[in-house]
Amino acid sequence: GQNIDQPTEMTATEGAIVQINCTYQTSGFNGLFWYQQHAGEAPTFLSYNVLDGLEEKGRFSSFLSRSKGYSYLLLKELQMKDSASYLCAGLDSNYQLIWGAGTKLIIKP
Amino acid sequence: DVKVTQSSRYLVKRTGEKVFLECVQDMDHENMFWYRQDPGLGLRLIYFSYDVKMKEKGDIPEGYSVSREKKERFSLILESASTNQTSMYLCATGGGQHTDTQYFGPGTRLTVL
Repeated sequence: GQNIDQPTEMTATEGAIVQINCTYQTSGFNGLFWYQQHAGEAPTFLSYNVLDGLEEKGRFSSFLSRSKGYSYLLLKELQMKDSASYLCAGLDSNYQLIWGAGTKLIIKP
Repeated sequence: DVKVTQSSRYLVKRTGEKVFLECVQDMDHENMFWYRQDPGLGLRLIYFSYDVKMKEKGDIPEGYSVSREKKERFSLILESASTNQTSMYLCATGGGQHTDTQYFGPGTRLTVL
């Protein structure tokens, strides 16, 4: 079956760095997305990776290893506004998105 | 900026009622999606549409139907609401490429009593 695994919850300190991991098992692979969702709001796009390696976008970076079925989202210089859920989603061979349950990130002062 | 609007943020209905959830987008996107989001579960696709009057079943279509009469509007219909359909419903749109980003509406939190 198809599956996306990510931790349920993580806690980090303001100003620090946090890495949110995601492992995926999909029928075929056409890329991996990360979305951010603040409580009570809609998910918003953060990144899309289809090739191996690290892509940096300001304080956020996303990494992909296709051979390991693994991705991570790296958040640097954490701010209180980064408290949110982070959703990992893989695009399978039929171009259907398979969503993880999300990782709730709690930032403490 | 893409704007995706949903008809209601909060909705309370009775078991057996017919429920309409409407989604409107202003970016001329071909693709539109309906998801439900429940605690501890990932987003689950109910139905999607790649064109006007075209619809495809997602992972959990049972108990739902959809309508897309105009490109900008995609409606989700609960024919006879049940308590297990209490959930957050999210509409999303995307461009013509499957790898395009999806843009989400604010969501409708539906409670069925």
